[in-house]
Amino acid sequence: DADVTQTPRNRITKTGKRIMLECSQTKGHDRMYWYRQDPGLGLRLIYYSFDVKDINKGEISDGYSVSRQAQAKFSLSLESAIPNQTALYFCATGSGGGSEQYFGPGTRLTVT
Amino acid sequence: DAKTTQPPSMDCAEGRAANLPCNHSTISGNEYVYWYRQIHSQGPQYIIHGLKNNETNEMASLIITEDRKSSTLILPHATLRDTAVYYCIADDFQGAQKLVFGQGTRLTINP
Repeated sequence: DADVTQTPRNRITKTGKRIMLECSQTKGHDRMYWYRQDPGLGLRLIYYSFDVKDINKGEISDGYSVSRQAQAKFSLSLESAIPNQTALYFCATGSGGGSEQYFGPGTRLTVT
Repeated sequence: DAKTTQPPSMDCAEGRAANLPCNHSTISGNEYVYWYRQIHSQGPQYIIHGLKNNETNEMASLIITEDRKSSTLILPHATLRDTAVYYCIADDFQGAQKLVFGQGTRLTINP
C-alpha cells in the first residue's frame, strides 16, 4: 500500500460548490503539507501542520481551509470553489530535521 | 530560504551520465540542498540531499561546491524512465520544511 494516499484522484466540480480533498499517511510522520501545482509551474504551499493542534498558512492559503483530524489525516477544503482553483493538489508528509518529504499521487481538480 | 536557479531544460543520451546543475549562491549555513523529481504529473519523488559533503545513494550522486554556492546532481547511467522535471531546493533543516519549488529542469533522456 502507498505511504501517502489522496482521495479523490480526479474531481470536476462547479463554481461555488464546497469540496474536500483528503489525505492519509502511514509513515507515522507528525508533519503534513498541502501543495498546489498549476500547469508548467512548480508546487506552491497552501497549508502545513506539525500536529493535530498546530495548523499554519502557507504561501497561498486564501480560499482554502484545512483540518487535521488525526496524526494520519489532513484534509483540504475549498469552501466555495472558483475556476482559478483548477489545479493539481498534492499532499506530503515529513518528519522534520532535514529529512525528505513523501508526496501523494495528487488530486486533479477542475472547477467549471 | 535561498533561491535556486536551474536551466529550464536539458537533454541526455540513454546510458550516459546526466549532470544537472543548480545555483544557490545565497544559501545559508542551515540550509540543505534537496533534489526531487516529478515524472509526468505524479507526486514529486525525493532523490537525495546534502549539506556540504558529496552524497551518493542508489539513485544519484550530489556534488556540492566547497563554497556551497552551487551543486550538481548526477544520474550515472540515465534511462528513459529518468525523463522528468528535476527540482533543486534549498531549505533550512531546522525550520518548517516549507519546500519552495521553482520551475526546475526538464530532463529528456533520448534513446
